[in-house]
Amino acid sequence: KQEVTQIPAALSVPEGENLVLNCSFTDSAIYNLQWFRQDPGKGLTSLLLIQSSQREQTSGRLNASLDKSSGRSTLYIAASQPGDSATYLCAASSLGGGSQGNLIFGKGTKLSVKP
Amino acid sequence: EADIYQTPRYLVIGTGKKITLECSQTMGHDKMYWYQQDPGMELHLIHYSYGVNSTEKGDLSSESTVSRIRTEHFPLTLESARPSHTSQYLCASSESGTSNQPQHFGDGTRLSIL
Repeated sequence: KQEVTQIPAALSVPEGENLVLNCSFTDSAIYNLQWFRQDPGKGLTSLLLIQSSQREQTSGRLNASLDKSSGRSTLYIAASQPGDSATYLCAASSLGGGSQGNLIFGKGTKLSVKP
Repeated sequence: EADIYQTPRYLVIGTGKKITLECSQTMGHDKMYWYQQDPGMELHLIHYSYGVNSTEKGDLSSESTVSRIRTEHFPLTLESARPSHTSQYLCASSESGTSNQPQHFGDGTRLSIL
């Protein structure tokens, strides 16, 4: 059964710092790995989707990597800003069985960027 | 731009009431999902649908039921609400085809059962 773990649970950094959020998953048989952002009281916003055949995806100041062999993904945020403060969620899309393509989520990393 | 709407945003209601949480999307997506999220915890899939007249139970057992009579509409119903149903409920949708399509989420319904 797929399990997704995110470390750290919370992170506080000064504005302008580069930072890395970590995600690990137990079953490498995945369609893709997705990163989301969740603001308080809101739903999730899709940030990046890495297909199982890809190694990384980039969008603006965000870069996500995927290493299926080690069951790890990282989300790199460059030049952090206070507006980046949110909870970042990692989710693995399962490959087999009746729940094909459904997402298994981690608990998230709560990021606070101080001005 | 994703257009998926959930109503109500907040609901406080007494035990034993029948509740329907609404979810609508205007993107023509075939796949739709319901997740349950407790504070500080991960999202758990409770129901999903591949299209009209298709509904499946998710990974987390739930006393709720869903229906998919129209592509754009995926309501979730609790026949008799209990305090244990207090949680945030998030609806999502995605395009069909391959499973490499991002899911688009609504803002959620925060449900509190007294």
